[in-house]
Formats: sequence, C-alpha cells, structure tokens
Amino acid sequence: GAGVSQSPSNKVTEKGKDVELRCDPISGHTALYWYRQRLGQGLEFLIYFQGNSAPDKSGLPSDRFSAERTGESVSTLTIQRTQQEDSAVYLCASSLIRDTDSYEQYFGPGTRLTVT
Amino acid sequence: LAKTTQPISMDSYEGQEVNITCSHNNIATNDYITWYQQFPSQGPRFIIQGYKTKVTNEVASLFIPADRKSSTLSLPRVSLSDTAVYYCLVGPSASKIIFGSGTRLSIRP
Repeated sequence: GAGVSQSPSNKVTEKGKDVELRCDPISGHTALYWYRQRLGQGLEFLIYFQGNSAPDKSGLPSDRFSAERTGESVSTLTIQRTQQEDSAVYLCASSLIRDTDSYEQYFGPGTRLTVT
Repeated sequence: LAKTTQPISMDSYEGQEVNITCSHNNIATNDYITWYQQFPSQGPRFIIQGYKTKVTNEVASLFIPADRKSSTLSLPRVSLSDTAVYYCLVGPSASKIIFGSGTRLSIRP
C-alpha cells in the first residue's frame, strides 16, 4: 500500500512569509508525528497527534508554529512569519498504535524548507 | 522521558559484524527500545524493536540485558549499503519520541 507522503518536497520561501506543509499518513494509522531535522543533525520532535488531538505540543519551537489534523488523516504544519533558522527538512511519520504497546513509525520523504 | 547516549560515529569494513551500543539509564517500565536507520535525504526507517532479552529479524539483532539500561544493535556482515546514521530510541508506544543525534556508521571496502 501507499506509504506516508508529504508535500511539497521542496519549498523555498522568503523570510517573513507563511508556509504550509502537508502530510498524508498511511491509511488507518491513528498516530501522526512531525519532526524537524537540520542539516547534519538528529531529528527534533515537534508535535504528536493521536487521532485529531495533539496531546503533546511541547516540541513546537515557538508560537509561529502550529499544526492540525483532520479526519484522523491529513495533517498540516504551518509556520508563520518564517525565519532563516526555520530552514530544515520537516519529516512526518505515522504509526498504528496496537494493544501490545509496541509500534513502528513510518516516515515520509520529508519537505525541505529553505528560507531566504 | 528516557534519554539515550550512543557513539557519535563508528567505522567498520565490509563483511564484519558491527555492534552499536546505546545507554538509557533511566528507561521506564513501559518503554520499548527501538532502532532506526537513516540514509541521506531520506526519512528514518525502522530496523528493530525490543523490550527485553534478544530480538532478531532478517536485518539485525537487538540485545537487551536484564536491567534494560543499555541495548546493543548488532548488524551481521555489513556491506557498503549499511553506511547510514543509526538512532536508538526509548519510549512508550504513543508519545513524544526523542531521537538524539544518532551514530554515523561508515563501512569501508
């Protein structure tokens, strides 16, 4: 079946503009995660959704960042008034939470954001 | 949330067995240990997950001692294509997950 998809794959924007990044998780996956990865660094957790609710938003770096999920499916990550330090690859992952409490996150290819 | 510590980088040669150890001293009772592999310009890919003792799949083995304060990912007979960054994670099934900086594994001919 189809994996996690993200769009756009690349986005170049001017400082101060707003951007919207989209994630389509694997159908039926109840959990959805957003991460940020700066060049040469590890993954930085941003936010986690269980269904359409976000029980943990603690990773969002500032109030310029927001995310929503609808229909227990598509999620959008919005960055307002972008800054150069927002340049990174934004990765989305989804997982199927099973009763056993074990899980596997499936990652999308990411959106490479460049703020000029 | 349990933090993990793993070597920044490792080098090995084709055909060798590679063992990457991860420390997670404050692992919680309901935490699983999961390893991911990431190639350049790609999202991470699940390798293996375990709770205790030993887990083996077609790609790797995961050794977890009784106290669960560390774990070792074992890659048998590595090839050049195993060159990647390997992340050790601990956490329950649905929550904030801390990836850390990972171990950059370089395989030479």
